[in-house]
Amino acid sequence: DIQMTQSPSSLSASVGDRVTITCRASQGISNYLAWYQQKPGKAPNLLIYAASTLQSGVPFRFSGSGSGTDFTLTISSLQPEDVATYYCQKYDSAPRTFGQGTKVEIK
Amino acid sequence: QAQLVESGGGLVKPGGSLRLSCAASGFSFSDFYMSWIRQAPGKGLEWVSYISGSGSTIYYADSVRGRFSIFRDNAKNSVYLQMNSLRAEDTAVYYCARGSGSSWSWREDCWGQGTLVTVSS
Repeated sequence: DIQMTQSPSSLSASVGDRVTITCRASQGISNYLAWYQQKPGKAPNLLIYAASTLQSGVPFRFSGSGSGTDFTLTISSLQPEDVATYYCQKYDSAPRTFGQGTKVEIK
Repeated sequence: QAQLVESGGGLVKPGGSLRLSCAASGFSFSDFYMSWIRQAPGKGLEWVSYISGSGSTIYYADSVRGRFSIFRDNAKNSVYLQMNSLRAEDTAVYYCARGSGSSWSWREDCWGQGTLVTVSS
């Protein structure tokens, strides 16, 4: 099975900072990658699919890039409401594996 | 708008069974794949199973294959997860989610609020 590895596992940044989270697949998955945001006590929310397509209603400060095995989620200007855990997920085939998550906090 | 509401969670003893339900509204249910995804306390997300709109395509994670069964009733706009031979490691919040996109490329774009399953003696 393909493994999904996120880095870092956590980060602390200031409001307005540019934040980058990476996700690496152990084998190529083309662009079949999604990013989710999960706030404490809430269900996950789809941010980006097809590696770089912004889900409707998601703020433009979120962007995604990558293809094959290496992917990136970027928050261009971190806001207090972005405090959450972020997960990548492959959806090219079953099992639809998630990364282990990246916890984002405000410094 | 699309809404998913899970129910059926609770406390069950190891080796016991439980059936989770997910009621959908606000979209054409039979047109969409549906997934179950779980999250153990303080842990990350783990995909469990999915079923196609017609029910003809089903997949399970290795960790639940042979113990869990997914099925759907399109007339009732509902998807279910029958969980048998439950173990302590099945303790988690279970989310149902709708799959949007093509039949070969779909992502979970709408999630329920989750239902907690606790397996303990």
